[in-house]
Amino acid sequence: TQLLEQSPQFLSIQEGENLTVYCNSSSVFSSLQWYRQEPGEGPVLLVTVVTGGEVKKLKRLTFQFGDARKDSSLHITAAQPGDTGLYLCAGDTGNQFYFGTGTSLTVIP
Amino acid sequence: GAVVSQHPSRVICKSGTSVKIECRSLDFQATTMFWYRQFPKQSLMLMATSNEGSKATYEQGVEKDKFLINHASLTLSTLTVTSAHPEDSSFYICSATLATSYEQYFGPGTRLTVT
Repeated sequence: TQLLEQSPQFLSIQEGENLTVYCNSSSVFSSLQWYRQEPGEGPVLLVTVVTGGEVKKLKRLTFQFGDARKDSSLHITAAQPGDTGLYLCAGDTGNQFYFGTGTSLTVIP
Repeated sequence: GAVVSQHPSRVICKSGTSVKIECRSLDFQATTMFWYRQFPKQSLMLMATSNEGSKATYEQGVEKDKFLINHASLTLSTLTVTSAHPEDSSFYICSATLATSYEQYFGPGTRLTVT
C-alpha cells in the first residue's frame, strides 16, 4: 500500500471546467509538496505547504494542507489544455520522503 | 536556481551491456541525491538515496549490484545499469535536495530502452 493515496487516478475534463485532486494519508507530514510532470520530463515543483490549514494560490491553482497535516488538495479553476500532465503530491515525514500515487489530468480543448 | 541536469536524455542499448546515467546539480551543492524509476502515467518509485562520499541506501527490492550508484562529489551522482535486460527499460529520474531544504529538484529524466 502507498503511504500517500491520490484521487482520482485519471481525470479527463473539458477546457474551462474546475477540478480538485486529493492527496490523503493516515500519516502526519512535516511538509507536503505538489509537482506537475509533463511526458518525457522530470517533475516540476509547484508549491510547498508546511502549516496545517495553510492555503496557497498559484494563479488558477489553489493548494490546501489539511488541519492535521495528513492530507492536501489541489483545486484548478477554469482548466486549460496547458494544465495537462501528471500531478504528484509528496510528503516529508521528517525521516523520509514519499510520493503520492499520481493523478493524470487531461484537459480537452 | 536549483537546476538539475541528466545525461543522456535517451539511450538505447543491447541486452547484456551496461549504461551509465549522470545526474548533476548545476548551481548548488547537493549532499543528497535520489534516483527514481517511473513507468508511463505512474508515480515515481524510489530506487535509492545517494549521499556524497558514502554508500547509497537502496530501497527494498532494488538490486544494488545491478544498479550501481556513485556520488563522488557534491554536484554529481551516477547510476549504472549493469547487464541490462529489456525489463530494465524505463524512465529514470534523479533529484537533489538543498542542504537547508526538504524540497526536491528533479532532473529531466533519462529514457532507457534495452533491446
